[in-house]
Amino acid sequence: AQKITQTQPGMFVQEKEAVTLDCTYDTSDPSYGLFWYKQPSSGEMIFLIYQGSYDQQNATEGRYSLNFQKARKSANLVISASQLGDSAMYFCATLLSSGSARQLTFGSGTQLTVLP
Amino acid sequence: NAGVTQTPKFQVLKTGQSMTLQCAQDMNHEYMSWYRQDPGMGLRLIHYSVGAGITDQGEVPNGYNVSRSTTEDFPLRLLSAAPSQTSVYFCASSYASGLHEQYFGPGTRLTVT
Repeated sequence: AQKITQTQPGMFVQEKEAVTLDCTYDTSDPSYGLFWYKQPSSGEMIFLIYQGSYDQQNATEGRYSLNFQKARKSANLVISASQLGDSAMYFCATLLSSGSARQLTFGSGTQLTVLP
Repeated sequence: NAGVTQTPKFQVLKTGQSMTLQCAQDMNHEYMSWYRQDPGMGLRLIHYSVGAGITDQGEVPNGYNVSRSTTEDFPLRLLSAAPSQTSVYFCASSYASGLHEQYFGPGTRLTVT
């Protein structure tokens, strides 16, 4: 069974600084995807970034980048130049390509607070 | 293009009542799913569907039924509501093949008293 672990229940970062949110996963499937979602206090789930297991380069989307270390089974999210609007809950999730149950498995989340 | 829509946004039920949470998508996605989110936890899969007429159970299916008569709609039925079903429910959809982003609806906050 796949498992996602986010070890930081809460993180604080000063505005304009960079922050790294940790995520480790455990799967034996050779093909999988890793996702990060943001959930602000309003409750919606906002897709941020995706990394495929066979992608050679780390994914980047604007201020978001994914530090993908396949051998260590980690997929940390790096947010550069933090903004007050980045304060939210962040979830890491994995999706396997095999089988009919292509379900996202989520970590427990990290609550990020950006300080002015 | 409305994406994934869910109704209602909020609902209060008494124990034992039944109701249906509605979910619709207009992106012609084959894959749809229902998740629940409890405080301090990530989302957990309730049921999913890989296409019209095909549904299957996820991690926490007890107490819920689903059907998929059309590609667009994927309603979730609570048969006899229990306080343990108090949660936020999210519907999501994605393309059928490959490892694609799942698009989430805005969620339904359900309270069972």
